[in-house]
Amino acid sequence: GESVGLHLPTLSVQEGDNSIINCAYSNSASDYFIWYKQESGKGPQFIIDIRSNMDKRQGQRVTVLLNKTVKHLSLQIAATQPGDSAVYFCAENLQGAQKLVFGQGTRLTINP
Amino acid sequence: NAGVMQNPRHLVRRRGQEARLRCSPMKGHSHVYWYRQLPEEGLKFMVYLQKENIIDESGMPKERFSAEFPKEGPSILRIQQVVRGDSAAYFCASSRWGGSDTQYFGPGTRLTVL
Repeated sequence: GESVGLHLPTLSVQEGDNSIINCAYSNSASDYFIWYKQESGKGPQFIIDIRSNMDKRQGQRVTVLLNKTVKHLSLQIAATQPGDSAVYFCAENLQGAQKLVFGQGTRLTINP
Repeated sequence: NAGVMQNPRHLVRRRGQEARLRCSPMKGHSHVYWYRQLPEEGLKFMVYLQKENIIDESGMPKERFSAEFPKEGPSILRIQQVVRGDSAAYFCASSRWGGSDTQYFGPGTRLTVL
């Protein structure tokens, strides 16, 4: 079965607020984690990644946090904008494998 | 600098027909991955290929599904004798290197089986 899951299937935030999307994974041998954004009718778009030797990585308006102790991954989006509306997937790559295991996804909606 | 290209974007087949999905990786990428996505679900790994080689097909159904990545031309995912349960979005991704290298996805092919 899948080893990556998400805590919430939907998340609604006010425009301008920060969004936090969570993900739990169960395979401690995973060494690479990625967040993808998928808009309706499109393919997954790479947002940010993090390797297991790090616990935080920042991009433009996004931050990924990795807590290996509790096997938890989160994506923080600062100053959420209408264009951030999408389904967000976390994915893990098992060390030594060349395939991604995806979570179910969280649908992020922005309230004006 | 074109990204991953897939065609067709939409494909309609009747039960029992064959479906061929094509994927051209990003320039400079020699690793291709196929995933399937059912509505409201995450993507499920199907197969990983390098040029002329299938590296990992652990996610491929045992029957009717096959994949190739020839020396020249795009990668092909072939589904023979399609059934309604094959209706899904099929995504191709590519990476420059294998292992834990970033995979970039194409726009997908949406297969509908009537």
